[in-house]
Parts: sequence; C-alpha cells; structure tokens
Amino acid sequence: DAGVIQSPRHEVTEMGQEVTLRCKPISGHDYLFWYRQTMMRGLELLIYFNNNVPIDDSGMPEDRFSAKMPNASFSTLKIQPSEPRDSAVYFCASSRPKGLNTEAFFGQGTRLTVV
Amino acid sequence: DQQVKQNSPSLSVQEGRISILNCDYTNSMFDYFLWYKKYPAEGPTFLISISSIKDKNEDGRFTVFLNKSAKHLSLHIVPSQPGDSAVYFCAASAPGSSGDKLTFGTGTRLAVRP
Repeated sequence: DAGVIQSPRHEVTEMGQEVTLRCKPISGHDYLFWYRQTMMRGLELLIYFNNNVPIDDSGMPEDRFSAKMPNASFSTLKIQPSEPRDSAVYFCASSRPKGLNTEAFFGQGTRLTVV
Repeated sequence: DQQVKQNSPSLSVQEGRISILNCDYTNSMFDYFLWYKKYPAEGPTFLISISSIKDKNEDGRFTVFLNKSAKHLSLHIVPSQPGDSAVYFCAASAPGSSGDKLTFGTGTRLAVRP
C-alpha cells in the first residue's frame, strides 16, 4: 500500500482565496483524521470520520473550515476564505478501529501558506 | 487546554547516551498512549505504544514507561543514534466513543550529537 496520500504538498495562496486539501487514506482503514500542526499547539485534531461519517468536528476552528468524505477513499478539507493565520502544515491520517490495536498512519502533509 | 503536555521543546544528547523524553497528561480517562517520531517534511510515524494496564513496554532501543498515578510517561532511547534526531510527539486516547482519536502533545525536538 502506498500509505496515506495527501495533495498538494505545498500550497501558497492569497488571503481570501479558497483552499482545498485532499487526502486518500489507506485502503481498508475505517477512520480518517485531519490534523493541523503549529509551533504553539503541536498537532491539533480538526475533525475525524468513521466510515465516511463525521464523528467529531469540535476541533474545526471556524465556519471557514469544512471537511467532507464522499467515499472511503477520498476526503477534502476546505478553507474558505483563507486567512494568514491558517498557515500551517495540515496532516491527514487513517487507522482501523482502536479495538484492533492499531495506530494512525499519517500522510506527508500539506504545507499551507496564506499571504 | 493541553491535555497532553511535553514541557521540553528540545533535548540534546550525545550519541551512545540515553535520551529521555517526558510527557504529562491531565485526562485520567486516557488509557492508551503512543509515541510518534517526525522527520522534517514528513508525516509523523508510529514508534511505540503502551496500554494503561502496563507500566513498561520495550521495543529494541526504545522503552516507554507509564506512571498512572503521576499521569506521566516517558520514552527512553538507548543508545541514542544520530538518526534518532527528530521531533517526538506523545499522544493519548480514551476509551468509549472517542477512543479512536488521538490527542497529541506539542512535541520535543531531539538532537543526537555525533
């Protein structure tokens, strides 16, 4: 398996523009997570899905952020409109249920810069 | 409100010596703990984990210790190698409906000097 695949790797956009980050989880994993990494807060969980259904979006900072998982092999995280403070590295991760004693596997991340 | 805390942002250790990375947590419901390692421009990768029913788990040069009464865990790397230089994240999860999500600390950057 190629692992969790994220695109793009880098994104530079102007303030006010819409940004869409993409993720393909590992096949067979039921859970998909979106994290944001910043110096101050480390890795923050934004939202996670189980079997394509959003379970907990309490980490989504504002209504400008939205995430979808239309099928088991694809998820998007959208920021509209983007702001400079959204600049961070965004990670997608996937896993099987905890009961199967497995950890989350992370993608390589998308480095977002909003100017 | 950081439920998982790594109070040392950085650590420097001589090659061959022991590296000890610390992590504290506040949520007494956490029952599973993990350490992830992250190299620059890569995603975090799983390193080692421990369940709350244990107080120690060892995997090669890596050992994780859990002190539930102190709500503290630590990762020991011995002997340390230059390739261990990375950012290490501590993470925890709780049972129940939220049991599959991980709460991470802010990370500790380990530098192993040759």
